[in-house]
Amino acid sequence: NAGVMQNPRHLVRRRGQEARLRCSPMKGHSHVYWYRQLPEEGLKFMVYLQKENIIDESGMPKERFSAEFPKEGPSILRIQQVVRGDSAAYFCASSLSRAANEKLFFGSGTQLSVL
Amino acid sequence: GQSLEQPSEVTAVEGAIVQINCTYQTSGFYGLSWYQQHDGGAPTFLSYNGLDGLEETGRFSSFLSRSDSYGYLLLQELQMKDSASYFCAVRDQQAGTALIFGKGTTLSVSS
Repeated sequence: NAGVMQNPRHLVRRRGQEARLRCSPMKGHSHVYWYRQLPEEGLKFMVYLQKENIIDESGMPKERFSAEFPKEGPSILRIQQVVRGDSAAYFCASSLSRAANEKLFFGSGTQLSVL
Repeated sequence: GQSLEQPSEVTAVEGAIVQINCTYQTSGFYGLSWYQQHDGGAPTFLSYNGLDGLEETGRFSSFLSRSDSYGYLLLQELQMKDSASYFCAVRDQQAGTALIFGKGTTLSVSS
């Protein structure tokens, strides 16, 4: 009964490189959310996806960031030309539905460090 | 838009009771949730209030007053393992009902 799986757990990139973060939701979940967290801060919403669709990306920077959740395979958060300010923990969560009382199940996160 | 306010830090001793408050402003209200996070690990769901009143789950209870746009998480019989960050969260209509989190309250429990 695997939970939300994120990989890699740690990712080190140099400025200007690309970062790809993967998230496999819980079995049966078709709603995926990406959040960013800086030390001592809260979870900042980035993007909400349902299979093959972006429902809302209002929290995601318009440049360099993109997300997808294909019909098959994990959800991918892609950061192009990374900068030091992108260093953060990126959490993925999934849910069964978008119902108000539906709880989110989180992965253990990917810690991105940009050198 | 939306905003959630909660205290940044709370300290207490083992066995005590602590209340973490949360006030919110949202464009549409769909209930208040609480999540716990230990040392930057995966946040975990604690409780949800869709209607006014108190919800009890073991040592933890959560309260909601929709007229006051206010809720709180009550932790009783505190244990050292309760030391963690606690986040209140609301779903926001403008974010496609994605869950929006407050900045979190760091609870430190000492012996």
